[in-house]
Amino acid sequence: GAVVSQHPSWVICKSGTSVKIECRSLDFQATTMFWYRQFPKQSLMLMATSNEGSKATYEQGVEKDKFLINHASLTLSTLTVTSAHPEDSSFYICTGTGERDTQYFGPGTRLTVL
Amino acid sequence: GENVEQHPSTLSVQEGDSAVIKCTYSDSASNYFPWYKQELGKRPQLIIDIRSNVGEKKDQRIAVTLNKTAKHFSLHITETQPEDSAVYFCAASGAINTDKLIFGTGTRLQVFP
Repeated sequence: GAVVSQHPSWVICKSGTSVKIECRSLDFQATTMFWYRQFPKQSLMLMATSNEGSKATYEQGVEKDKFLINHASLTLSTLTVTSAHPEDSSFYICTGTGERDTQYFGPGTRLTVL
Repeated sequence: GENVEQHPSTLSVQEGDSAVIKCTYSDSASNYFPWYKQELGKRPQLIIDIRSNVGEKKDQRIAVTLNKTAKHFSLHITETQPEDSAVYFCAASGAINTDKLIFGTGTRLQVFP
């Protein structure tokens, strides 16, 4: 079946630093990937739609200059949290569309900003 | 845009009983409705999904029903087991592979032995 990986699985950083999260489709090509954020005990909130070779589409309320998304190939999308602050601490999950047109979830990246 | 509401937020049942979780959506253009199970610290796992051209779908102890006119869909789990305990999310999408998923607020299900 289709597999999506994320790296790192967890990261702790100091306030003000930038963190890059990678999302890879391992055995399929994903023209579109989605990035979600999940705060503790809350639902998944869509942050942006990442399209290969074009600019990402951000949801209302998500700062595009703070959450930089690059989808340079059909198997890799990256999310960079710039100048991270404690309120950015969250579980970040990406998805890619694989076989049977199902969205496959990455394992998630837990970001903690001190 | 699409808005998905989910009820109840918590649900406690005795092992062997049935559990029902309900969701409503706002966008009549939505036509794909998946359900996910999420265990603590892990990614959501797709457990069942339904498309708008189908009214009901069943997979062993799990079933989903869809009422497009009323814009609501429900998850039914029968003969619940302690390992069914998790958080369940419904979602709605305009299409299976190209549209974003809008998630419900989640239901924490606890199955007591």
